[in-house]
Amino acid sequence: KQEVTQIPAALSVPEGENLVLNCSFTDSAIYNLQWFRQDPGKGLTSLLLIQSSQREQTSGRLNASLDKSSGRSTLYIAASQPGDSATYLCAVMKGWKGESEKLVFGKGTKLTVNP
Amino acid sequence: KAGVTQTPRYLIKTRGQQVTLSCSPISGHRSVSWYQQTPGQGLQFLFEYFSETQRNKGNFPGRFSGRQFSNSRSEMNVSTLELGDSALYLCASSLDRVFSGDANYGYTFGSGTRLTVV
Repeated sequence: KQEVTQIPAALSVPEGENLVLNCSFTDSAIYNLQWFRQDPGKGLTSLLLIQSSQREQTSGRLNASLDKSSGRSTLYIAASQPGDSATYLCAVMKGWKGESEKLVFGKGTKLTVNP
Repeated sequence: KAGVTQTPRYLIKTRGQQVTLSCSPISGHRSVSWYQQTPGQGLQFLFEYFSETQRNKGNFPGRFSGRQFSNSRSEMNVSTLELGDSALYLCASSLDRVFSGDANYGYTFGSGTRLTVV
């Protein structure tokens, strides 16, 4: 059974700091991995999608890496801003074409960026 | 283009009642999935529908059911509500993997329906 773990559960940093959020998964047979952001009481906003054949993806100040063999992904946020404060969720998709597909989520890292 | 729309945003129901939640996917998306989010369990998969057929189901009791219509809109129903059903229910839509291509195959989520059972 696929399990996804995110460490740390909460993180508080001063504005401007570079930071790394970690995600680990137990079954390396994934199709892709997606990082989401969730603001309090809101839905999920997709940040980055990494296919299983890729090593990393970048969007603006965000960079996500994937090491499938070790079951790890990291989300790097450069020059953090107060507006980055949110919960960040990592999710892996299992299954291949023709098989059932679903996202398995970690519990998230709650990030607070202090002005 | 319009995103994933979930209605209603908030619901308060009494134990024993039933409830129906609605999700309209992004135009052209034929896959709709439902997730339950609670503080204790986090996000858990409920079920997925594709072209009006349930393609995948999570480990939830039979009180949780869903359906998808020919226009890809989906509804989920919870019967005989329990206090533990209080949660944020999220809907996600995606293109069919064959048409989207691997590089674009991901999920777009709605804002959710907050269900409170009293």
